[in-house]
Amino acid sequence: ETGVTQTPRHLVMGMTNKKSLKCEQHLGHNAMYWYKQSAKKPLELMFVYSLEERVENNSVPSRFSPECPNSSHLFLHLHTLQPEDSALYLCASSQAATSVDEQYFGPGTRLTVT
Amino acid sequence: ILNVEQSPQSLHVQEGDSTNFTCSFPSSNFYALHWYRWETAKSPEALFVMTLNGDEKKKGRISATLNTKEGYSYLYIKGSQPEDSATYLCASLFSGGYNKLIFGAGTRLAVHP
Repeated sequence: ETGVTQTPRHLVMGMTNKKSLKCEQHLGHNAMYWYKQSAKKPLELMFVYSLEERVENNSVPSRFSPECPNSSHLFLHLHTLQPEDSALYLCASSQAATSVDEQYFGPGTRLTVT
Repeated sequence: ILNVEQSPQSLHVQEGDSTNFTCSFPSSNFYALHWYRWETAKSPEALFVMTLNGDEKKKGRISATLNTKEGYSYLYIKGSQPEDSATYLCASLFSGGYNKLIFGAGTRLAVHP
């Protein structure tokens, strides 16, 4: 139990659907992150939020839309995805977005786009 | 392009064996090196964060070293146990701006009883 939860754990969606992934951290951290892991590829950073403000967008297509309503919650809104977007999506948090502190990860959402 | 390389890709050892694997990263603009352990169906869990050249850290039977001048880190496991079976990820943080960890592809370790 890392203190970071993600829902749902598994999601199957069609290319025309709209869905959202949710992440919640109970650690009092000020930074939150979305990562993507595609098959046989390293974990890849998508977005960084610091104190609810997006501070890094790692060239992610606009069909992925993050939202951070407060420092404990992070969402990833998905719309008109492509089959190649099927992947494991991990959320993480850390004390601050500029420190060297370790990141605490959630268990991930396994997304399949059909 | 910043690239973090890990070797080997996978490793099978017998219970009781000691083992080690390597993480290589660009040495310029280096800021920190993270090691994570990721068991199947669980969350990645931090093992170590190292920042200084020559750093050595230890947690039980697992230890790590860091060479920032030549751009590599070693992770050692002494007397491997089946519960050590996991994927071990390293990630490098480069200076400037907000945290942007660059991950390697991981070393998948299987410890056989």
